[in-house]
Amino acid sequence: DSGVTQTPKHLITATGQRVTLRCSPRSGDLSVYWYQQSLDQGLQFLIQYYNGEERAKGNILERFSAQQFPDLHSELNLSSLELGDSALYFCASSRRPHTGSDTQYFGPGTRLTVL
Amino acid sequence: TQLLEQSPQFLSIQEGENLTVYCNSSSVFSSLQWYRQEPGEGPVLLVTVVTGGEVKKLKRLTFQFGDARKDSSLHITAAQPGDTGLYLCARNYGGSQGNLIFGKGTKLSVKP
Repeated sequence: DSGVTQTPKHLITATGQRVTLRCSPRSGDLSVYWYQQSLDQGLQFLIQYYNGEERAKGNILERFSAQQFPDLHSELNLSSLELGDSALYFCASSRRPHTGSDTQYFGPGTRLTVL
Repeated sequence: TQLLEQSPQFLSIQEGENLTVYCNSSSVFSSLQWYRQEPGEGPVLLVTVVTGGEVKKLKRLTFQFGDARKDSSLHITAAQPGDTGLYLCARNYGGSQGNLIFGKGTKLSVKP
């Protein structure tokens, strides 16, 4: 158990819909990262927050957005869903804003299926 | 973005065999991490290598960082079914960004 929690574990929805994925980081971790894992693209970085502020952006679509709340939990919002958005979405957390020798701890992921 | 190429993509072996998987890049990186991901779970960090030529051991797993810090290998001795999983190498994006860049992984299956 990494200490990072993600809900829900599984999510099945239809094209065009909007969903929200939730992540609670490890106690004391201020940095939260979102990654998407698909069979063809592998594990790709989407966005990072540190202590409530957006820190870095990766290959995140404009239909996707995220935020980190004062209690440090984070939500990833996916809208106008397409079949290609079906993937595993992972949240990771770390103590500091940039990894260096700091470890990122990954949650168990949310499996999103868009039908 | 500097890519990390992992090989082989798939590996299926019998219990007790030895194996090596590779992670290569055309660029030099300051450090490299190896993760193992089991089905239905998130990646778990196995080791971080930092110094060129560095060798780290974790029980039956031996990790090596190339002298030029452009490549790394993971060797497993006497593989067991519990070693089954996806092995990912990753590097830091760099600068002030904390995110990781991952290779696509080697999917290992160890049959009893």
